[in-house]
Amino acid sequence: KAGVTQTPRYLIKTRGQQVTLSCSPISGHRSVSWYQQTPGQGLQFLFEYFSETQRNKGNFPGRFSGRQFSNSRSEMNVSTLELGDSALYLCASSLSGSYQETQYFGPGTRLLVL
Amino acid sequence: QKEVEQNSGPLSVPEGAIASLNCTYSDRGSQSFFWYRQYSGKSPELIMFIYSNGDKEDGRFTAQLNKASQYVSLLIRDSQPSDSATYLCAVISSGYGGSQGNLIFGKGTKLSVKP
Repeated sequence: KAGVTQTPRYLIKTRGQQVTLSCSPISGHRSVSWYQQTPGQGLQFLFEYFSETQRNKGNFPGRFSGRQFSNSRSEMNVSTLELGDSALYLCASSLSGSYQETQYFGPGTRLLVL
Repeated sequence: QKEVEQNSGPLSVPEGAIASLNCTYSDRGSQSFFWYRQYSGKSPELIMFIYSNGDKEDGRFTAQLNKASQYVSLLIRDSQPSDSATYLCAVISSGYGGSQGNLIFGKGTKLSVKP
């Protein structure tokens, strides 16, 4: 079974631009969560999607948004990029997002904002 | 603010020794506890999960959970240089705050196993 895939793997943008990242979950998984990882803050939860609906949201500004498609693939968008948005963005999938399930992480997209 | 605390390390142990990694969490309603390993430049990979008080063993790894003390630990027996990585403790919290069903991570403990 193929794992979680994320595209692109690396991205360089400048301040003020916007960016869209993509995540394809493991086949059959309907819950997709997004995380931001930085050296200073560690791994922080952005949001979770299930059945095309945002079910949970972390403490990030409205510049961070996402969506999920009917095939469970998910995208996240960051508008008006800031230098502090430079990070590794990880998505993780699970069957339904239940607290007893394991989330499987993708390889991540490394974003550098100049 | 729900928090997960870990000693950042680095924790250095000789090859063959037992490495002990510790984690405390603030939310008493937390229900599920996970240990992830992350090699430099890679994404986290699950090592173990534990839901109930007590010990859970899987090969060289043992997870220990004490909900009364809000404490979870990971023991690695017969440590190998290939175990050198950052170990992340993660907790699924309960209820309010929009965080139900999603992981709150500690900042990780860097483990170095010396040959």
